[in-house]
Formats: sequence, structure tokens, C-alpha cells
Amino acid sequence: SQQGEEDPQALSIQEGENATMNCSYKTSINNLQWYRQNSGRGLVHLILIRSNEREKHSGRLRVTLDTSKKSSSLLITASRAADTASYFCATDIISNFGNEKLTFGTGTRLTIIP
Amino acid sequence: GAVVSQHPSWVICKSGTSVKIECRSLDFQATTMFWYRQFPKQSLMLMATSNEGSKATYEQGVEKDKFLINHASLTLSTLTVTSAHPEDSSFYICSAPVPGQGRPNEKLFFGSGTQLSVL
Repeated sequence: SQQGEEDPQALSIQEGENATMNCSYKTSINNLQWYRQNSGRGLVHLILIRSNEREKHSGRLRVTLDTSKKSSSLLITASRAADTASYFCATDIISNFGNEKLTFGTGTRLTIIP
Repeated sequence: GAVVSQHPSWVICKSGTSVKIECRSLDFQATTMFWYRQFPKQSLMLMATSNEGSKATYEQGVEKDKFLINHASLTLSTLTVTSAHPEDSSFYICSAPVPGQGRPNEKLFFGSGTQLSVL
């Protein structure tokens, strides 16, 4: 089953507005990461937040983590048309084999309207 | 920065044939690489972890004989889809951990993906 569930599944906003995406997960984590995927391409790492951190910034990105609620949010401020992409959260968990693996959420498809 | 190159970008093949997908780390060594499968508008599902010099670790439900993984060098992992069928049509993506991270999954570099269409 999917470790991370994201909402909304799709989001369309006007250029310049802020975009907020949420991720909920099920098990304890070491860290949570956000990735971006342009259509038909690989993923690009955006930001990592550790389980003992509550908030992190990187440029126009702001990530929060609430381990008590098992949830995270990604805020993109002053959105640009080039931000149009799918965004995935990923959690670092222990697999059935005892090794660590990254499990991806269901993703949010963000469309920025020029 | 480090780059992961995946080839081919897309492939169309007939049912019953085998297809090989390559994943190379261009300027760093990767003892571990990951292979994912992604259906349209869905998330990435980890298929297997490729380990240099040893057998790959497959996720539950992934057929080892169907999806052959070879990691013969520190910069190359290959995924071979054997006897492909239309239901194998999907987007396959590889990734490798960024060197020097505290934990192997703290940051991954991804290939650009391979769109496989089986007729």
C-alpha cells in the first residue's frame, strides 16, 4: 500500500499565487523529501526535512513536518509557469527486508496558469 | 552536479520480445541503484534495489525472472524486461543515491525514464 497520500491530487492556480500541497504518511520515518517531476521525465530532488525538524526553507519553497500528525506540507510561493509539474513526497522507511527504502506518495499535479 | 543517464528514453517492442534498459551514473560511483515503475498519473512503485556485485533485492510481488537486473559495475545497472507483454507497458525510472549522504536514501538522482510500449 502507498506510504504517502497527497492532496490535492491536482491543483491549478494563477501565476504569482502560492501553492500548497499536503502529504500524509503512515509509519515512523527518518526523513521526508519532496521531489518534482516534469511530464514524462525523471524526478528532481527539491528538499529534505528530518524527523526532528519542523520547518525548512529553500528559496521559494517552504516545507513543514508534523510527526505527531504524520503529515507534511510543501508551499511554493510566488508561483511561476515553470513550476508546472507533479510533486511527490517521499518517506524513508524500513522495508520488509530490513533495508531502508524511499516510498513515494501519490503526487499532486500542479498547473500554473500564466 | 552528478547525473544519472537512462537509455533508451522510449522503446516500442512486440509482445514476447525482451527489452533492456540501461542506467548509468556518469560522474560518480553507485553501489546501489533503484528501479521504479510508474503508471500514467500515478506514483512511483519501487521494483527492486540493484546492488553492485551481488543479487538484486526485489520488492514483494515483482517477478525476478520477468525483470532481470544486473549491476555489473559501479556505474551501470540494467533492467531487462523478458518476454514483454502489453501489461508491462509502463514508464520505468532508475535512480542512484547522491554520494556522501548520511543515509543512502537522503537524496536520489533520477534518470530521465524509459517509456516502454509493448504491442
